[in-house]
Amino acid sequence: NAGVTQTPKFQVLKTGQSMTLQCAQDMNHNSMYWYRQDPGMGLRLIYYSASEGTTDKGEVPNGYNVSRLNKREFSLRLESAAPSQTSVYFCASSEEGSPLHFGNGTRLTVT
Amino acid sequence: KNQVEQSPQSLIILEGKNCTLQCNYTVSPFSNLRWYKQDTGRGPVSLTIMTFSENTKSNGRYTATLDADTKQSSLHITASQLSDSASYICVVNRGAGSYQLTFGKGTKLSVIP
Repeated sequence: NAGVTQTPKFQVLKTGQSMTLQCAQDMNHNSMYWYRQDPGMGLRLIYYSASEGTTDKGEVPNGYNVSRLNKREFSLRLESAAPSQTSVYFCASSEEGSPLHFGNGTRLTVT
Repeated sequence: KNQVEQSPQSLIILEGKNCTLQCNYTVSPFSNLRWYKQDTGRGPVSLTIMTFSENTKSNGRYTATLDADTKQSSLHITASQLSDSASYICVVNRGAGSYQLTFGKGTKLSVIP
């Protein structure tokens, strides 16, 4: 039982490059989330998907897009990376009333 | 503005000692409050949940308290172990869904031998 799996673990991009962060969960959870974690700040919600087929913006959605591919998978895309997007990105899943189950993060550096 | 403030920012204690971490919040409405533990290089893991009617809840050596009137919570760690070294994050939920969370910045705890 792997829980929430994120790939890649590390990535370095040049400004303007694009990439997709992948996330998959094996707990049959309906809801999935993408957060970013920056030094000196709390986790901030980028996008979430309350159920398969739906996505909604969170607190900091600008510069990102998401796709809920199926119930298991929720990807985050950076179309044109900027240095301000250097961060650690966490995917999470949950059911109503349950805690968030996080992956171990993708550490992204944009130069 | 919905905010969650944690103190101290960082803390160093000797193995075997106890410690208490604080969380003050101004989030409204209030649904529940969770404490998460985040080991270095890993994602956060839930330790405990406090709802409006609960004052104290224990999970092994971790005891969380909640005072909904003063909007304060604490996490007490008893007989600390080296494996307790981590960041502890207080998270307040404004509603039923987990998309209405406000995260604190965390307290970084270091337990030294």
